[in-house]
Amino acid sequence: KAGVTQTPRYLIKTRGQQVTLSCSPISGHRSVSWYQQTPGQGLQFLFEYFSETQRNKGNFPGRFSGRQFSNSRSEMNVSTLELGDSALYLCASSLGSSGGSGTGELFFGEGSRLTVL
Amino acid sequence: TQLLEQSPQFLSIQEGENLTVYCNSSSVFSSLQWYRQEPGEGPVLLVTVVTGGEVKKLKRLTFQFGDARKDSSLHITAAQPGDTGLYLCAGAPGGFKTIFGAGTRLFVKA
Repeated sequence: KAGVTQTPRYLIKTRGQQVTLSCSPISGHRSVSWYQQTPGQGLQFLFEYFSETQRNKGNFPGRFSGRQFSNSRSEMNVSTLELGDSALYLCASSLGSSGGSGTGELFFGEGSRLTVL
Repeated sequence: TQLLEQSPQFLSIQEGENLTVYCNSSSVFSSLQWYRQEPGEGPVLLVTVVTGGEVKKLKRLTFQFGDARKDSSLHITAAQPGDTGLYLCAGAPGGFKTIFGAGTRLFVKA
């Protein structure tokens, strides 16, 4: 079956702009998590959605937001971009919320690499 | 505060050598996962360990979960260049958001 699909794969923005990233999870997976990966900080948790509800949130400013649709597809938005937002943004899907049943195994997409100039 | 501490951070070895990567925490985890990530790609799940003391083998990779479920190790026998990548351990303390260690970057030279 198809894996996790993230679009776009690469994008370049300038400071102050906003960006929207999209993620289509594996069919049947209801949980979508977003992570920011940078060389200095590693994988940092942004937020998790389960059945269109945000279940968990990381320590990121309000400029970072997300949502999940009824078909489990998810988007994340970053407004007023800063240079430090340059990173690989990874989406991961799983069967259920990490707070629920199951072992919390995540299946990642290839990521969206954002460069802010 | 890094809840999952991985060591070493970087490892460069010759093909055929053995190595062990460690993942430690002061917190108890109901399960831990190991992932491998190659440049330009997302992490790929290798294994999940659930029971304290559990040992799982995946070809030349051996994963162990500590008895107290606070630590885990990954041992690679006779490493090959194809094993090169970033190895990440992950878990959900308290059953909530999944967190990741900083990773061990492995480079296997032919």
